[in-house]
Amino acid sequence: AQSVTQLGSHVSVSEGALVLLRCNYSSSVPPYLFWYVQYPNQGLQLLLKYTSAATLVKGINGFEAEFKKSETSFHLTKPSAHMSDAAEYFCAANTGNQFYFGTGTSLTVIP
Amino acid sequence: DSGVTQTPKHLITATGQRVTLRCSPRSGDLSVYWYQQSLDQGLQFLIHYYNGEERAKGNILERFSAQQFPDLHSELNLSSLELGDSALYFCASSVTSSPYNEQFFGPGTRLTVL
Repeated sequence: AQSVTQLGSHVSVSEGALVLLRCNYSSSVPPYLFWYVQYPNQGLQLLLKYTSAATLVKGINGFEAEFKKSETSFHLTKPSAHMSDAAEYFCAANTGNQFYFGTGTSLTVIP
Repeated sequence: DSGVTQTPKHLITATGQRVTLRCSPRSGDLSVYWYQQSLDQGLQFLIHYYNGEERAKGNILERFSAQQFPDLHSELNLSSLELGDSALYFCASSVTSSPYNEQFFGPGTRLTVL
């Protein structure tokens, strides 16, 4: 069965530092892949999604993710963290008719 | 504001009871998805409706059911409630049934079962 694994339930970075949130999927066939962000007391908002046209995907708010089939990974990065990036981040996979979410990574940005 | 509305925002009820959660998708969206978010289970996909028809089922319990009406709003019915059903329930909508389309999430309904 398909699954999504997010390494690190909590990540802390200093303001201005690199953000790296890890996501691995398990499937012999790459599913559709997404990163969502959830701010406190709000629903999820799409950050970016994987398209087979490009392995490096750019999203909103300066985030990007790189699809690596050989590593079955879709890690999320941002070169310079901002205080407003503090939130919960979810990696998700869709195999066509089933959605699978990772357990989420809570990002704390230290001033 | 995603354009997806959910009512009520909060719901407190007792074990064994039945509740109905309502979702209105964005204007023009034909798909509605339901999710459950809890501390122990994380975010779980429950069910997907497209233009009134069920398209996919996830980890939805038999005590739970959903439907999408001709005006495209959707309801999630939870019956014989248990303490473990306490969670945040989200609905999301998208334009078509394609899994690639962006889903727009509502603010959620927080259900507390006492």
